[in-house]
Amino acid sequence: AQSVAQPEDQVNVAEGNPLTVKCTYSVSGNPYLFWYVQYPNRGLQFLLKYITGDNLVKGSYGFEAEFNKSQTSFHLKKPSALVSDSALYFCAVRDYLVPTGFQKLVFGTGTRLLVSP
Amino acid sequence: DVKVTQSSRYLVKRTGEKVFLECVQDMDHENMFWYRQDPGLGLRLIYFSYDVKMKEKGDIPEGYSVSREKKERFSLILESASTNQTSMYLCASSYGARGSGQPQHFGDGTRLSIL
Repeated sequence: AQSVAQPEDQVNVAEGNPLTVKCTYSVSGNPYLFWYVQYPNRGLQFLLKYITGDNLVKGSYGFEAEFNKSQTSFHLKKPSALVSDSALYFCAVRDYLVPTGFQKLVFGTGTRLLVSP
Repeated sequence: DVKVTQSSRYLVKRTGEKVFLECVQDMDHENMFWYRQDPGLGLRLIYFSYDVKMKEKGDIPEGYSVSREKKERFSLILESASTNQTSMYLCASSYGARGSGQPQHFGDGTRLSIL
């Protein structure tokens, strides 16, 4: 089965500094990878996805993610953090149900980002 | 914008009750999903549906059932609620065949407490 790991429960960064939220994946075949954000008392919002092509994927709210096949990583980045970026971030990978082949997403455990003023 | 609406934001029920959580989407999506979210565990898939009247078990289906009588509506049923089902429940939808790998659109969640 496909899986993702988010090694940090929380990331702290000062406003204006660059931020990185880490995600590593374990898949057979080519990965479909996603990042979602969850603000307090809200559902998840899609940020960006990688399917194929450029290793740097641009998404919503100024976020981008770098796909690295050799390191099996898909880290989320932003050049300059805002206090309003404080939220819970989830990495996800496409997986398949056996034997039907139906597709689903498998989520990581989440990383809380705290941006201080 | 896709709108996924969950009928209740907060719900308190008693052990042994039959509980219904409702979800409606307005974008004619084929696929709908139910997850539960617990701290430190991320999101875990309970059930999903890829068409009307069709359903597939996810990773943690025990103690739950689902119903999809209309394309826009997907209901999660706790047959006999237990305290270990206290959680945040999230509904999501996506377009595309066979579950698809397309981005999912989420509702704002129902925080369910079982006393």
